[in-house]
Amino acid sequence: QKEVEQDPGPLSVPEGAIVSLNCTYSNSAFQYFMWYRQYSRKGPELLMYTYSSGNKEDGRFTAQVDKSSKYISLFIRDSQPSDSATYLCAMSTGGGNKLTFGTGTQLKVEL
Amino acid sequence: GAVVSQHPSRVICKSGTSVKIECRSLDFQATTMFWYRQFPKQSLMLMATSNEGSKATYEQGVEKDKFLINHASLTLSTLTVTSAHPEDSSFYICSARDPTASDEQFFGPGTRLTVL
Repeated sequence: QKEVEQDPGPLSVPEGAIVSLNCTYSNSAFQYFMWYRQYSRKGPELLMYTYSSGNKEDGRFTAQVDKSSKYISLFIRDSQPSDSATYLCAMSTGGGNKLTFGTGTQLKVEL
Repeated sequence: GAVVSQHPSRVICKSGTSVKIECRSLDFQATTMFWYRQFPKQSLMLMATSNEGSKATYEQGVEKDKFLINHASLTLSTLTVTSAHPEDSSFYICSARDPTASDEQFFGPGTRLTVL
């Protein structure tokens, strides 16, 4: 079993839809949870960073962490074609420690 | 945000040759850099953690004699793929940890290696 599980997709939604992306994990020592966006042939860029359980909102993006269920989510409101990318969840046991990534979910937002 | 660069962005080489990839933190000093490998439609897999002035720490299954890592300064780490073979063809990405930004890791743009 992988430490971090993520549905690879692809996920296709119409413009304006609410997108829900999820990851589950098995290591209860993970404390820091991140979502990265990666465009084709580019390096990942950090979208959201949360510590422990709870919600965090930044513009159209909301990250949720439920440590009791070992489940994290990223919601994208009013999705745009420019949101089309691969979204990777990542987590670590401590700030600055090595990251363990999910496989990434490929998202396509269509006009 | 902080900027990390990689050079070259893509390289094509013959089987058996060695290839060096550079990772630089442009506007901060990074005591720790990480090297990842990403195969098509797969996630980033950590290869090694590079600490300035000391030996790199390799993940299980990664050959340290094949993937040589040098972190000689606070802004530069290099990964050398020695005696490259076609199965080494992949997307290599580095990240650098910024201790002044809550230890956030900033990723480089990646290097596409193709071994013929």
